Amino acid sequence: DQQVKQNSPSLSVQEGRISILNCDYTNSMFDYFLWYKKYPAEGPTFLISISSIKDKNEDGRFTVFLNKSAKHLSLHIVPSQPGDSAVYFCAASARISGSARQLTFGSGTQLTVLP
Amino acid sequence: DAGITQSPRHKVTETGTPVTLRCHQTENHRYMYWYRQDPGHGLRLIHYSYGVKDTDKGEVSDGYSVSRSKTEDFLLTLESATSSQTSVYFCAISGGSGATAKQYFGPGTRLTVT
Repeated sequence: DQQVKQNSPSLSVQEGRISILNCDYTNSMFDYFLWYKKYPAEGPTFLISISSIKDKNEDGRFTVFLNKSAKHLSLHIVPSQPGDSAVYFCAASARISGSARQLTFGSGTQLTVLP
Repeated sequence: DAGITQSPRHKVTETGTPVTLRCHQTENHRYMYWYRQDPGHGLRLIHYSYGVKDTDKGEVSDGYSVSRSKTEDFLLTLESATSSQTSVYFCAISGGSGATAKQYFGPGTRLTVT
């Protein structure tokens, strides 16, 4: 059973409009949530994160919202740009040993921003 | 970008042969991780290390072993490769000063087992 789910495998958005990517989780032990962006043949790149004690975090065009009661988070990109086209992974973090942490990933959403 | 390299970047091997993948970091981070990425699964943790000679199993560790003899190097070994181990393997690091939940990923190794 997947503890982190991204139910939309793909999303297409017009340039300049808002992109909204969604993620659901089941494990209450997760205390940080992160979004990674991945281009083909490259490793995932960290985008933005949020602590479980917050409900919103903003960084430029990117905002992450966390709804703990619904176990749901979303990434908003405004305005969307063609260079944002990539696979976006939602990840949830929990301690596994000492300060070591495991990231549990969703299956990813392919975002395509159309010019 | 974090200084993480992986070698080789691509490898094709036959079923039953041993394979070793290398992750090298220049950031002096304490924690190192190996993940595999498969369609429909995102990335899944194989093994991790919390210091030299200190390693532990992750979610999908069967068929894999690891070793860390130096802070900068973390090796992943497939003792006898199987077709189900065809995947893209990513190394990650975390835990510099001001450690957070953030992990930094290497460029990946694409492994094909025929």
